Amino acid sequence: SAVISQKPSRDICQRGTSLTIQCQVDSQVTMMFWYRQQPGQSLTLIATANQGSEATYESGFVIDKFPISRPNLTFSTLTVSNMSPEDSSIYLCSVVGAGSNTEAFFGQGTRLTVV
Amino acid sequence: GENVEQHPSTLSVQEGDSAVIKCTYSDSASNYFPWYKQELGKGPQLIIDIRSNVGEKKDQRIAVTLNKTAKHFSLHITETQPEDSAVYFCAASNDYKLSFGAGTTVTVRA
Repeated sequence: SAVISQKPSRDICQRGTSLTIQCQVDSQVTMMFWYRQQPGQSLTLIATANQGSEATYESGFVIDKFPISRPNLTFSTLTVSNMSPEDSSIYLCSVVGAGSNTEAFFGQGTRLTVV
Repeated sequence: GENVEQHPSTLSVQEGDSAVIKCTYSDSASNYFPWYKQELGKGPQLIIDIRSNVGEKKDQRIAVTLNKTAKHFSLHITETQPEDSAVYFCAASNDYKLSFGAGTTVTVRA
């Protein structure tokens, strides 16, 4: 399976600021996604990170709040902008492998607390 | 969009007994059904998945069954051990954009 590294693993941020989360994969993958897991809840898809083009956002999520980049096949970033306490969640990167390894794996997540 | 329902929300079993978690989905186009185990402070770990052209899949103590007609799939854990205690999530997708169930907290009593 792909090894997914997310940075930072956790952070405490002041409201009104922004945080950029990085996701690095050790092999080329076909798809990369970002999910949010609010405290004690299930996972919700934020967007699909498209290589070299704008991300595709799910209903309820917008680019101004969650800008995403994916400059190549193994790296993506998610920025949480103008944070409020309601943004306190775990943010997770997910990847789908290339070739025969078409399974969906998750990184360890970034635990964000906004104060 | 896809809607996934998961039951039960909590499950307590005696060590050595079996645990069963059930999920239903709404979108008949869904063809990929993974199950994840999430331990406290960690990301979801893929434990098994099944695709729509298969009715059952087994990996050691874990098995998953899929009934496409009824749109439901289940996770079976046999001979449960304390390390099986975690939150389990089912998911469904037809394009790897996963829709998740609400999760089942499994507690294995020693």
